[in-house]
Amino acid sequence: DAGVIQSPRHEVTEMGQEVTLRCKPISGHNSLFWYRQTMMRGLELLIYFNNNVPIDDSGMPEDRFSAKMPNASFSTLKIQPSEPRDSAVYFCASKQGGQGLGTQYFGPGTRLLVL
Amino acid sequence: KQEVTQIPAALSVPEGENLVLNCSFTDSAIYNLQWFRQDPGKGLTSLLLIQSSQREQTSGRLNASLDKSSGRSTLYIAASQPGDSATYLCAVYSGGNMLTFGGGTRLMVKP
Repeated sequence: DAGVIQSPRHEVTEMGQEVTLRCKPISGHNSLFWYRQTMMRGLELLIYFNNNVPIDDSGMPEDRFSAKMPNASFSTLKIQPSEPRDSAVYFCASKQGGQGLGTQYFGPGTRLLVL
Repeated sequence: KQEVTQIPAALSVPEGENLVLNCSFTDSAIYNLQWFRQDPGKGLTSLLLIQSSQREQTSGRLNASLDKSSGRSTLYIAASQPGDSATYLCAVYSGGNMLTFGGGTRLMVKP
């Protein structure tokens, strides 16, 4: 398996622009997670899906952030409008198994810079 | 709210040394604990997963222990090598399906 695939790997945009990050989980995994990593705050969970359904989005910083999972093999994280403080590395992860079970497998991340 | 702390934040050792990384968590009601490795500019790689009913897990030169009652875990690396240089992150499952991460320990193993 190719592992979790994220695109783009790097994104540079200007403040106010819309940014869409994409993730393809490992085939057969039933949970998908979006994280954000910064030097100041470390690794934070933004939202996670179970069987394509959003379960907990309490980590989403504000309404400018939205995430979708239209099917088991694809998810997007959208920021509209983007702000400089959104600059971070965004990771997608997936796993198989129920609550507390299974290992999360992380993608390589998308490095976002908002100017 | 679960909080995970890792000490030290950074560690530099000569090659060949045995070393211990520490992780503590505030809520002992966890399902499991995971140790990850992160190389610069890369994603996270899972090293070891310890279920709440287990005391330790081993993989090659790595050994992770878990003392749930005291809210502590350690990652022991034997005979460290320069290739072990990376950031090591501890994370706990403590409800829902979510991992709470520590801030990481940045390890440098010098040849």
